[in-house]
Amino acid sequence: DAKTTQPPSMDCAEGRAANLPCNHSTISGNEYVYWYRQIHSQGPQYIIHGLKNNETNEMASLIITEDRKSSTLILPHATLRDTAVYYCIVRVFNNAGNMLTFGGGTRLMVKP
Amino acid sequence: DVKVTQSSRYLVKRTGEKVFLECVQDMDHENMFWYRQDPGLGLRLIYFSYDVKMKEKGDIPEGYSVSREKKERFSLILESASTNQTSMYLCASSPGGRTGRDEQYFGPGTRLTVT
Repeated sequence: DAKTTQPPSMDCAEGRAANLPCNHSTISGNEYVYWYRQIHSQGPQYIIHGLKNNETNEMASLIITEDRKSSTLILPHATLRDTAVYYCIVRVFNNAGNMLTFGGGTRLMVKP
Repeated sequence: DVKVTQSSRYLVKRTGEKVFLECVQDMDHENMFWYRQDPGLGLRLIYFSYDVKMKEKGDIPEGYSVSREKKERFSLILESASTNQTSMYLCASSPGGRTGRDEQYFGPGTRLTVT
């Protein structure tokens, strides 16, 4: 799996958009970008994933640059409950299951 | 919503005891996983299963075994618990099969302490 680089921490005001960047300059053509998060003392939570097109779901939007070397996860209206560590992972799709490996992630603190 | 449940949130066992951790998912997912998570070491895969009665070793299977007799249930067994198995244990499932989706959904975790 390609290596990813994320800032170790970020702050965001409640109600504002949180934009979390991820660099993955060595990504291969068949690797997807996945985002998960982990709230303290809870299991990780899947957020969104994409290959090259921008994606949106009820939780977030994922913007992938045209060269696919970086991406941004957008939480449009951050709440206090979005305070968590956010992990950007680049990996090949595997229908039969494949392990997840979390890097350092970004610790997002949403402040009132 | 996908729901993955684990039998206990907290568990305290003695060295040498046999320990069973149960995981159930309600979304008819093909794949199920057991990880452990330790500070500074991140997530490490113990075992996974891509079908009933099928299992594959992950990175750290030693000291563990698994059972998947039904599609929705995946059990992790510590045959003889040791103190170095004190950890947070996380179960996950992913759709797999013909869905074309492999994102993983996690349970709340079981914090196991072996004394």
